[in-house]
Amino acid sequence: NAGVTQTPKFRVLKTGQSMTLLCAQDMNHEYMYWYRQDPGMGLRLIHYSVGEGTTAKGEVPDGYNVSRLKKQNFLLGLESAAPSQTSVYFCASSYSTGRGGDRDTEAFFGQGTRLTVV
Amino acid sequence: GNSVTQMEGPVTLSEEAFLTINCTYTATGYPSLFWYVQYPGEGLQLLLKATKADDKGSNKGFEATYRKETTSFHLEKGSVQVSDSAVYFCALNYLPGGGNKLTFGTGTQLKVEL
Repeated sequence: NAGVTQTPKFRVLKTGQSMTLLCAQDMNHEYMYWYRQDPGMGLRLIHYSVGEGTTAKGEVPDGYNVSRLKKQNFLLGLESAAPSQTSVYFCASSYSTGRGGDRDTEAFFGQGTRLTVV
Repeated sequence: GNSVTQMEGPVTLSEEAFLTINCTYTATGYPSLFWYVQYPGEGLQLLLKATKADDKGSNKGFEATYRKETTSFHLEKGSVQVSDSAVYFCALNYLPGGGNKLTFGTGTQLKVEL
């Protein structure tokens, strides 16, 4: 049972470098999400996707880009990393009931990527 | 906008003690409410949920009741175990568009000692 898999698990970047975080889910879920977790602030939604080929902004999208070219993958990119982007990043996915909305369905989370920008 | 407020931790209890973690929310309309748990080194996982007023969610001995009049969703367990040590997040969903886009509280760390 792989579920939601994130790579890499740890990364240290220098300011101005770029990188891509990969999220893969094997549950055929329609929806995918990227959150960041910071001390004292809980998790905040960065971007999300309601289906293959679609993306939308969440609460804190600045400095990040995403792509969902395949249903099972959701990529988070940092074009020019800044120290303020030091955080733990979580990917999540959830399924569609086919009845619209789907606000109550369970979100399944990956184990997280700890990113440090120096 | 939507927001969730949780009691600050860490909360330290002895095994078999009673647990309450307070959670209150601010939202327009009628959000769905959730408790997620994060064990050390792992991602979050759903503990329980309630989708309308007066609903009670329950799982693994944990319970929480959706109280619209007090805008609260407090988590309780009658007898905690060492294995319950984790960070607990209260969350709500009332965002437009599809999917389960969650607004989280800051999390409450629970430590249970023998």
